[in-house]
Amino acid sequence: DVKVTQSSRYLVKRTGEKVFLECVQDMDHENMFWYRQDPGLGLRLIYFSYDVKMKEKGDIPEGYSVSREKKERFSLILESASTNQTSMYLCASSPRGADGYTFGSGTRLTVV
Amino acid sequence: GEDVEQSLFLSVREGDSSVINCTYTDSSSTYLYWYKQEPGAGLQLLTYIFSNMDMKQDQRLTVLLNKKDKHLSLRIADTQTGDSAIYFCAEVPGAGSYQLTFGKGTKLSVIP
Repeated sequence: DVKVTQSSRYLVKRTGEKVFLECVQDMDHENMFWYRQDPGLGLRLIYFSYDVKMKEKGDIPEGYSVSREKKERFSLILESASTNQTSMYLCASSPRGADGYTFGSGTRLTVV
Repeated sequence: GEDVEQSLFLSVREGDSSVINCTYTDSSSTYLYWYKQEPGAGLQLLTYIFSNMDMKQDQRLTVLLNKKDKHLSLRIADTQTGDSAIYFCAEVPGAGSYQLTFGKGTKLSVIP
């Protein structure tokens, strides 16, 4: 069964901390995505990557960065966590072409 | 620009049919998708339809596409309490693109 695995289901971090959210896929997919999901706002794209070491800004990249050193792993980094980054973070991957995304289970991050 | 619109809430009685509607703006969309998100989980691909099709049926699910009106619907027959979830419509805006544009999601509540 194909999988996208997010390393943590729940995280609590303090304001100002550097936070790493990890995502690994085992499907040899080229494309990987990070979204955040907030009530009433739906899914908002933070960053995506369509190849190793490639990254593109999504709709809301401010306060975030990403790393894709290996094809299977796409990391989201909060350089200095703030309370307005409290959210559900969803990682997804897809092959080249429009075959749809496979999502991870999500990481619910609380910044206090 | 691209936009996908859905109503935010739908409530139905167990055993009735549910119809979740979606409108999109990009007439060059190639694929349209329906995703389901259960509480606390990631998104799961339910079904998809290619833009040259009018209808697709898969067990209790029927997808209807009206390309002229840019309207997509998902019908769930004999709705069960396990169908309670958020349903997202998504499109691939334009040939050659692989990045999905999501609606904000419709929360389906099934009343026993």
